[in-house]
Amino acid sequence: DTEVTQTPKHLVMGMTNKKSLKCEQHMGHRAMYWYKQKAKKPPELMFVYSYEKLSINESVPSRFSPECPNSSLLNLHLHALQPEDSALYLCASSQVVRQPQHFGDGTRLSIL
Amino acid sequence: GQQLNQSPQSMFIQEGEDVSMNCTSSSIFNTWLWYKQDPGEGPVLLIALYKAGELTSNGRLTAQFGITRKDSFLNISASIPSDVGIYFCARGDTDKLIFGTGTRLQVFP
Repeated sequence: DTEVTQTPKHLVMGMTNKKSLKCEQHMGHRAMYWYKQKAKKPPELMFVYSYEKLSINESVPSRFSPECPNSSLLNLHLHALQPEDSALYLCASSQVVRQPQHFGDGTRLSIL
Repeated sequence: GQQLNQSPQSMFIQEGEDVSMNCTSSSIFNTWLWYKQDPGEGPVLLIALYKAGELTSNGRLTAQFGITRKDSFLNISASIPSDVGIYFCARGDTDKLIFGTGTRLQVFP
């Protein structure tokens, strides 16, 4: 069982919808991450939060908006997504940056 | 940019066989990580390596940090059906986790 919990597991949304992905960990980790994974490809980093502050944004379009309300929670707000944004979105955490990361099971996102 | 080349891309083996896969980098690393991803799930950390020449085991899995610090190997002994999945190496000593291209393993009974 993963110690990083992501909800929802599946999400289908239209291009005009607004939705949020949620990630939670209770391991006391101070670094949290969002990745995007397309089929048969490795995960690609989107954002890094370190001590609740955004430290890396990999030139992600503004229709993806991350938020870290506290050290246990990480959200990804979605607005006006495109069909090519359909993918598996993975959250990960580590004690601090540059330590091994532990992943959740992801949210499978489909954009209609 | 940083590239990790992982080989082979895919493997089809019979249950009970041993498996070997490797990962090479164009630059020197200080940390190698090996993950396994099952369909519909997130990657699971298998082994972390921190020192050149280090050999670490986790059950039937053994991984080594190459002496040149530019490569790593993962071996699976006596494969079983639940070993099926995608195995990723990754560079773990930067703020960004950089993944290899993955090795897809199929095990036939």
